[in-house]
Amino acid sequence: GAVVSQHPSWVICKSGTSVKIECRSLDFQATTMFWYRQFPKQSLMLMATSNEGSKATYEQGVEKDKFLINHASLTLSTLTVTSAHPEDSSFYICSAPRLGGQLNTEAFFGQGTRLTVV
Amino acid sequence: RKEVEQDPGPFNVPEGATVAFNCTYSNSASQSFFWYRQDCRKEPKLLMSVYSSGNEDGRFTAQLNRASQYISLLIRDSKLSDSATYLCVVPSYNQGGKLIFGQGTELSVKP
Repeated sequence: GAVVSQHPSWVICKSGTSVKIECRSLDFQATTMFWYRQFPKQSLMLMATSNEGSKATYEQGVEKDKFLINHASLTLSTLTVTSAHPEDSSFYICSAPRLGGQLNTEAFFGQGTRLTVV
Repeated sequence: RKEVEQDPGPFNVPEGATVAFNCTYSNSASQSFFWYRQDCRKEPKLLMSVYSSGNEDGRFTAQLNRASQYISLLIRDSKLSDSATYLCVVPSYNQGGKLIFGQGTELSVKP
């Protein structure tokens, strides 16, 4: 079964509104989670690293004020797309590593959220 | 040079064919490597892990060449169900789970 749960799986929203996406680790604690975005026919691009109890680390070119990340507990990270526009339409997916040392870290992915902004 | 770079696709092959994908990585300190499979509109799923020279699992063989910094994935006797995008993934060294994805290679197996 899934070890990382992402919700919602798809959402359609109006331009200018905000959308919140949740990512939960189900049977392990994740002090770090990662948020990726994938446009059609492209690979996953890391947007930011979510850190429990501290600020998220954003990749170059990702607006931190537009993509708000909150890692309130050891099992939950949220990504809020604020004032969404059609160009934000994409597949957003979270990942939580279950750490077991350098060679034994396995990444589990949420099911992804398909966001369409109209 | 990109951190992780894959063969451009798509690969269109008949059922039963053998197909190989290559992937190069730039960080010589990388210790582990992964091949993920991603179906359309779904999350990536782990296909194989590679820690030493290679790994084999049924019809799938992954090989690692540290000197040349590349990883390959070989699929033998390809099935229609193998059609997907294959992602070469390298953990960012010492960054606790941060993954660097290649751009992916699309495979289409035809009857």
